[in-house]
Amino acid sequence: DAGVTQSPTHLIKTRGQQVTLRCSPKSGHDTVSWYQQALGQGPQFIFQYYEEEERQRGNFPDRFSGHQFPNYSSELNVNALLLGDSALYLCASSLVGQGGTEAFFGQGTRLTVV
Amino acid sequence: GNSVTQMEGPVTLSEEAFLTINCTYTATGYPSLFWYVQYPGEGLQLLLKATKADDKGSNKGFEATYRKETTSFHLEKGSVQVSDSAVYFCALMYPGTALIFGKGTTLSVSS
Repeated sequence: DAGVTQSPTHLIKTRGQQVTLRCSPKSGHDTVSWYQQALGQGPQFIFQYYEEEERQRGNFPDRFSGHQFPNYSSELNVNALLLGDSALYLCASSLVGQGGTEAFFGQGTRLTVV
Repeated sequence: GNSVTQMEGPVTLSEEAFLTINCTYTATGYPSLFWYVQYPGEGLQLLLKATKADDKGSNKGFEATYRKETTSFHLEKGSVQVSDSAVYFCALMYPGTALIFGKGTTLSVSS
């Protein structure tokens, strides 16, 4: 059973560019959440997708947007990159039908903005 | 608002020592509580969880008890190993909502 997979694992972007990160949830899961983890900090919630709709959003600017596809996979897009966007981006999947009480995380995408 | 506070690290122990990492939370009602572990260069792995007051979560020799009266969920292990060296995150969540994490505690175990 494949767990949560994220791609790419690492990437380097220049300030002002745009980036797209991808996530495939654990088999059978229908909800995808994205988190940003700055160096030495705990993960911060960006947003959550369920049934192809953004269901919840954390305190992140509109430069952060996302999408969920019919197969439950998801993308995170960040526009107009800032140096401060450098972080590990984590995707987590869960199953709403189980009350969403257990989230499984991918390995993350390490984004460096230069 | 809801929040999680963990003891600051790093925590440095010798192999076979007893481990306690303190975690307290601020929340209304009865959120579920979690401990996640992050090994170097990796994502988060769920270590254990508890979904109601007085529940004890346990896994791989680690355990934590959901204490509503003290709003705590301290992580313990009787005898740590070098392989336990990692960053440990305490978190809370209401069903169907986002996880709220503490800042993490780095554990370093030497042989």
